[in-house]
Amino acid sequence: DAMVIQNPRYQVTQFGKPVTLSCSQTLNHNVMYWYQQKSSQAPKLLFHYYDKDFNNEADTPDNFQSRRPNTSFCFLDIRSPGLGDAAMYLCATSRTGTGANTEAFFGQGTRLTVV
Amino acid sequence: LAKTTQPISMDSYEGQEVNITCSHNNIATNDYITWYQQFPSQGPRFIIQGYKTKVTNEVASLFIPADRKSSTLSLPRVSLSDTAVYYCLVGPNTGGFKTIFGAGTRLFVKA
Repeated sequence: DAMVIQNPRYQVTQFGKPVTLSCSQTLNHNVMYWYQQKSSQAPKLLFHYYDKDFNNEADTPDNFQSRRPNTSFCFLDIRSPGLGDAAMYLCATSRTGTGANTEAFFGQGTRLTVV
Repeated sequence: LAKTTQPISMDSYEGQEVNITCSHNNIATNDYITWYQQFPSQGPRFIIQGYKTKVTNEVASLFIPADRKSSTLSLPRVSLSDTAVYYCLVGPNTGGFKTIFGAGTRLFVKA
């Protein structure tokens, strides 16, 4: 059973039209992440939530925002998508604490096309 | 977070053992080493994690020398379905660990 679910799998949006991608998890993990992955590149961390605390990466454009209304859900909002924002967007979760096995669990991703 | 260096790509044949080495010269005392696998159009998947010496699970082994400045992911008897990108990550395992990916190694397994 999928533990990190991203909807939709494929999203087409118009240049400049706001778009929201969603992620839900059944793992009850306290950390949730959003990554952007462009073709043939590694995933790039945009931001993460540690519980309700939002942590933005320094080079994440202001065009990208996020909301986490509760433990299970997290949203990625792109306020004015440009052609350069076309990518796979990956949501991930992990738990924190001491010890090993705090790996990240990833969803299948949402492939965003901007037309 | 410690920077990692891996080969960009590797080729192998079915049935061979594949070893992918990752350099992390500035690894910190509380850093763990984690490897992920990613197939096209899918999210990365955790393979193995270790701190020192050797770790083995049903999928792979991870060898970490005493100085911890490098690590080697070993995949026994690869098959065509092991063709993927393999990422080595280094970071602390306590509170607020951020999973940041390096460039990864593209493994091609041939028949």
